[in-house]
Amino acid sequence: IVLTQSPGTLSLSPGERATLSCRASQSVSSLLAWYQQKPGQAPRLLIYDASNRATGIPARFSGSGSGTDFTLTISSLEPEDFAVYYCQQRGSWPRTFGQGTKVEVK
Amino acid sequence: EVQLLESGGGLVQPGGSLRLSCAGSGYTLINYAMTWVRQAPGKGLEWVSSITASGSTKYYADSVEGRFTVSRDNSDNTVYLQMNTLRAEDTAVYYCAAGGLQHNYAWDYWGQGTLVTVSS
Repeated sequence: IVLTQSPGTLSLSPGERATLSCRASQSVSSLLAWYQQKPGQAPRLLIYDASNRATGIPARFSGSGSGTDFTLTISSLEPEDFAVYYCQQRGSWPRTFGQGTKVEVK
Repeated sequence: EVQLLESGGGLVQPGGSLRLSCAGSGYTLINYAMTWVRQAPGKGLEWVSSITASGSTKYYADSVEGRFTVSRDNSDNTVYLQMNTLRAEDTAVYYCAAGGLQHNYAWDYWGQGTLVTVSS
């Protein structure tokens, strides 16, 4: 399953809303996760099963979607949210990631 | 909380072998499916291999099938990735990750990564 993320780069200011998209080449039901990665760090799980926040993840992060179209929304960007975000499916093997969306400071 | 620590990375010649280890601490890994994910320099994340909690089932990416072998020793709280016939394109930071029931087996714990460089 190919995951296509858009846009490739999102240039926003702190306080703005970020909307990231992930489209699957075939249905993954709700078995999609979102990860955040900062330079030099391991990925961090944000959202699992499309819309469930992982433990300790702030409420400004939310996920939605099912089937082939998914969205990660950051309601109001904090300085620490500027990073690369990956979607990942576990609907079938092999597991796959999207190519990533970089959220950068405008 | 589960903590993971990878080791075993380094510089190896094409065609060579390495064995990566992922040691768990703070909690037993026996209830976690374990996964290896890699990231080539400046690139995105690539799933490599997964093993179920019991170790009975293993999965591999096509790019490593037949060359890499995942295993685990639950008594030692460690997961391994044996990498043979290494190629330049295997150069990457290799992360191990754990997925348990808490987040429906999404990968909620990650190690810091170990760098594998395949070069002559």
